[in-house]
Amino acid sequence: AQKVTQAQTEISVVEKEDVTLDCVYETRDTTYYLFWYKQPPSGELVFLIRRNSFDEQNEISGRYSWNFQKSTSSFNFTITASQVVDSAVYFCALSEAYQTGANNLFFGTGTRLTVIP
Amino acid sequence: DTGVSQDPRHKITKRGQNVTFRCDPISEHNRLYWYRQTLGQGPEFLTYFQNEAQLEKSRLLSDRFSAERPKGSFSTLEIQRTEQGDSAMYLCASSLAGGAREAFFGQGTRLTVV
Repeated sequence: AQKVTQAQTEISVVEKEDVTLDCVYETRDTTYYLFWYKQPPSGELVFLIRRNSFDEQNEISGRYSWNFQKSTSSFNFTITASQVVDSAVYFCALSEAYQTGANNLFFGTGTRLTVIP
Repeated sequence: DTGVSQDPRHKITKRGQNVTFRCDPISEHNRLYWYRQTLGQGPEFLTYFQNEAQLEKSRLLSDRFSAERPKGSFSTLEIQRTEQGDSAMYLCASSLAGGAREAFFGQGTRLTVV
């Protein structure tokens, strides 16, 4: 069965520090997709990135970067030079491709990031 | 298009009453999903539609819950005989079809059963 573990419940950093949010997943599928979403206080989940299981290339988007390692079943998210606006709950999610045509997401429990000015 | 819209944003109801929530997806999206999120947890999948067909339902969706998407556009989620354990945020999302496409979420309906 699928499982997503975000062991860090809460993290606090001072503005401009770098921070890494950990995500470890379990799946029996060989084809799957991993996602990160941000949930600010307003409550709306904001899509950040999708990665499929065949693409282990790391990705950078501005201050955000993602490190996908199949060998350790991890998909970690790093924010460089954090800002107060980065304060939110961040969710890692998994979708298994055996669900034909579906992309139901299995979410972790989230990491609450607080950036202190 | 302004994104996924949900109505109402908040609902307080007495135990035993029925409630209905509405979701308007992004117009060109043919997939629509319902999730439930309780405090301190990640969203949990309830059900999804491709156009008007309900293709999958989670075991979390008891027989008191019913969802419809009659014309393949907006969707409704009804909870009959509400219980205190139904108190949660109900999130709607939509996506394009084909593979694991990114889903775009609405702001949710927060249900409180008293």
